[in-house]
Amino acid sequence: GNSVTQMEGPVTLSEEAFLTINCTYTATGYPSLFWYVQYPGEGLQLLLKATKADDKGSNKGFEATYRKETTSFHLEKGSVQVSDSAVYFCALSDPYNFNKFYFGSGTKLNVKP
Amino acid sequence: GAGVSQSPSNKVTEKGKDVELRCDPISGHTALYWYRQSLGQGLEFLIYFQGNSAPDKSGLPSDRFSAERTGGSVSTLTIQRTQQEDSAVYLCASSSGQGRSNQPQHFGDGTRLSIL
Repeated sequence: GNSVTQMEGPVTLSEEAFLTINCTYTATGYPSLFWYVQYPGEGLQLLLKATKADDKGSNKGFEATYRKETTSFHLEKGSVQVSDSAVYFCALSDPYNFNKFYFGSGTKLNVKP
Repeated sequence: GAGVSQSPSNKVTEKGKDVELRCDPISGHTALYWYRQSLGQGLEFLIYFQGNSAPDKSGLPSDRFSAERTGGSVSTLTIQRTQQEDSAVYLCASSSGQGRSNQPQHFGDGTRLSIL
């Protein structure tokens, strides 16, 4: 079946540190991959996505590359800010039913000034 | 409205009671999704609608759960004879649902359901 596994949090970093949040997936076929973010007091919102192998999604300084060979979609940012403190969710859409999504358990990021 | 609206934002009820959760999607969005997020867990897919039809109900946890959507707009998730394990945050999302590409989902703030 389809599933997403992401690293447990919380992750605590100092401002300007490098961020990696690991995400691996299990799926048949070629799913689309997503990162969603939930800022404190707000709803989930799409951060970035990649729809095929070797695609790189990017937004707001965050990047993630669709790696088919390692079934991974790790989220990275070169220099985090306090405003990046949020919960990050990795997700995939079923390649045979693209309206069905599977989410990871979320990783909380705390960035300290 | 500007975004996905869910009501109530919080619901506390006694075990065995029925509850109804409402979702008002972004105007014009044809696809609507319901998810459940239990404490410390990821989002569990429950059901999605394309228009008023629900092609995939496989995520509903039991026959106590049902959902409907009318007029291609508002959706209601109903839980009958609630149990304590139903306590969770119920999230609704909508998307334009156009074509075969994956359109981003826009989430509401959720309904926090607590079963006593």
